[in-house]
Amino acid sequence: VVMTQSPLSLPATLGQPASISCRSSQSLVHSDGNTYLNWFQQRPGQSPRRLIYKVSKRDSGVPDRFSGSGSGTDFTLKISRVEADDVATYYCMQGTHWPVTFGQGTKVEIK
Amino acid sequence: EVQLVESGGGLGQPGRSLRLSCTASGFNFGDYAMTWVRQSPERGLEWVGLIRSKTYGGTPEYAASVKGRFTISRDDSNSIAYLQMNSLKTDDTAVYYCTRGGGAFDVWGQGTKVTVSS
Repeated sequence: VVMTQSPLSLPATLGQPASISCRSSQSLVHSDGNTYLNWFQQRPGQSPRRLIYKVSKRDSGVPDRFSGSGSGTDFTLKISRVEADDVATYYCMQGTHWPVTFGQGTKVEIK
Repeated sequence: EVQLVESGGGLGQPGRSLRLSCTASGFNFGDYAMTWVRQSPERGLEWVGLIRSKTYGGTPEYAASVKGRFTISRDDSNSIAYLQMNSLKTDDTAVYYCTRGGGAFDVWGQGTKVTVSS
């Protein structure tokens, strides 16, 4: 399954919202009814960190300004108010179909 | 604290071998599948393979690009997952991460860099 993110580069304004799109080449609805779509944040020089799992469930410790939404083949990660700490590359990942695949990444920078 | 620590990376020659280790702490290692993911500028984040927990047979699965060359194993008594990399190719140059689960990926190690070059 091919995961396509857009944009690949996102100049964001502090305090303003930002949004990243992720589209899959097939529906990510699993036969068990779940949709296994994760979002990861990778700050410069660090490992990926999971932010969101199953489309919209936020991991413990993740600020509530991060939210995930979507269904089927179309998904979105939103940052309600961008902070300097959010400078990173963000990846979507599907775990519904074998093998797991990642998007190309979206680099968020501050304007 | 839940933690994964990779080791064993370095410079490897084409055709030779390297073995990576992933040492876990802070959770019951034997209850989890463990996955290896690599990252390179050319291919981004790429799933390499996984090993299931003993409850699910303890069997491995591999990406097509490494099948027949790489072997994943586990030592539950010492909470370690291994990635044996044989017949190395220059395309295997990447940072290698281990991560918890077969798709949850809620915990990641810091990564270990593998460079394949003559």
